[in-house]
Amino acid sequence: AQSVTQLGSHVSVSEGALVLLRCNYSSSVPPYLFWYVQYPNQGLQLLLKYTSAATLVKGINGFEAEFKKSETSFHLTKPSAHMSDAAEYFCAVRRAGNMLTFGGGTRLMVKP
Amino acid sequence: EAQVTQNPRYLITVTGKKLTVTCSQNMNHEYMSWYRQDPGLGLRQIYYSMNVEVTDKGDVPEGYKVSRKEKRNFPLILESPSPNQTSLYFCASSFSRGTGELFFGEGSRLTVL
Repeated sequence: AQSVTQLGSHVSVSEGALVLLRCNYSSSVPPYLFWYVQYPNQGLQLLLKYTSAATLVKGINGFEAEFKKSETSFHLTKPSAHMSDAAEYFCAVRRAGNMLTFGGGTRLMVKP
Repeated sequence: EAQVTQNPRYLITVTGKKLTVTCSQNMNHEYMSWYRQDPGLGLRQIYYSMNVEVTDKGDVPEGYKVSRKEKRNFPLILESPSPNQTSLYFCASSFSRGTGELFFGEGSRLTVL
C-alpha cells in the first residue's frame, strides 16, 4: 500500500534562506507524486507534480522537487524563502482509482 | 471560472442533528471525493465517486454518507453527527484519466457540540 511521510510537522526559515521540506513515500508501483500548498482559510492548491517524466519538477512560485527513486523521496525546495511562502505543505502519492494518500503536512514559517 | 464550491463554509451544530455539506464542480470532472483534515493527520479520504451513481468508501467512512445523482454534485451527509466529526472538510474533483490532479474546494469547518 502506498503511504507518505513528511519529516517535520513545522519548519522555520528566515526570509531569503533555502526552503527544504522532506517527503518520503512508499509505493509498489512507479508513483505519481504531488505537492500541494494550503494558505490560511483556503483549500489546497497544486504546487507541482511528478508523473514519471523528468525527475526534477518545477512548480509555481519558484518551488521545485526532485524525484529520487533510490531514496524513495520527493523533497520540495525553494532557493530563497519569501514571507508569502508561509503556509502548510502536503505531499501526496496517487493510489489506484485517482485516490491520493496525503502526508501529515508541514507548516512552513518564514521569519523576517 | 473553474471551481469546486462547498457550502456551508462554517457550521456549528449539536450531536445528532442531521446535516448535509454540499459540493459542486463546474469542470465536468468524473471523479469527486471528500476528505477531512485534522491536525497532524493530514487529509484522510472519507468517500469518493468515480462517476454518477458510483461511490465507494475511503479510509474513514464511518458516520458519513454520500450520493452522486448528478455529475457536478457530491453532497456529504452526516446522519447523526458526533463530536469526533468536528473537523475541516474538503471536497475535491478531477478527471478520471490523466495524472489525477485534484482540484479542491475552500473547505467547510464543522463543529459538533
